[in-house]
Amino acid sequence: RKEVEQDPGPFNVPEGATVAFNCTYSNSASQSFFWYRQDCRKEPKLLMSVYSSGNEDGRFTAQLNRASQYISLLIRDSKLSDSATYLCVVNGGGTGGFKTIFGAGTRLFVKA
Amino acid sequence: DTAVSQTPKYLVTQMGNDKSIKCEQNLGHDTMYWYKQDSKKFLKIMFSYNNKELIINETVPNRFSPKSPDKAHLNLHINSLELGDSAVYFCASSQGQASYGYTFGSGTRLTVV
Repeated sequence: RKEVEQDPGPFNVPEGATVAFNCTYSNSASQSFFWYRQDCRKEPKLLMSVYSSGNEDGRFTAQLNRASQYISLLIRDSKLSDSATYLCVVNGGGTGGFKTIFGAGTRLFVKA
Repeated sequence: DTAVSQTPKYLVTQMGNDKSIKCEQNLGHDTMYWYKQDSKKFLKIMFSYNNKELIINETVPNRFSPKSPDKAHLNLHINSLELGDSAVYFCASSQGQASYGYTFGSGTRLTVV
C-alpha cells in the first residue's frame, strides 16, 4: 500500500459543480495534514491545513478521519480558476522517523 | 518580496557537466528542503536542513551535494549530470517540522541533454 494515495483523476466538472477528493494514508502516527494546490508548471501552494474537527475556508471544506486514515477536500460552486492539481500532504512520525509524504495529486478541470 | 527564491529558473546542460542551484528564503524559517518533481509529477524529498544541519538525506546519489551556509540559504550542487536528473527541483522552507506547512520556491527546470 502506498504511504499516501489519491485518485489521480482527472475530474472534469462544469462550473458551479461540487467536487470532492479523497486521500488515504498508511501511517497511523501521522500528525498533520494539508491540501496543496499546484497549477501547471508552477510550485505547490498551501491551500489549507486539515483538522480533525473539519475546517472550512470559503468554498473549500477539509475533513480528517483518523480512524479510517483518510482526508477529504470538498469544493463547492467550482470556478474555472479552480482547475489545478490538488496534492494531499501528510506529516508523520513513527518508527521510520519524521516524514512528509506528498500524494501524487488529483487533477481537476472545471469547464464553462 | 519573494519569500523563497531559487535560481536559475531554467537550466539546460549537457551530460557530465556540474551545475548548482541556489535557494534563499526571507521568512525567518529554520528548516529548508530540496524536493525533486519528476515527469510523473511525484514530489519527493531529497534533503532537509535545520539551522544549517543536515537532518534528512533520502536515497539520493552522492553526485548531489547540498550546502547550507546559513539558515536562510540552501544550495544544491550536482556533479556529473545524467539524463535521468532531468526534473523540476523545488526548494522549500518551513518552521520546525512543517506543522504549518511549507513555502515553495518557483522551481528550477533542469534539462540534461
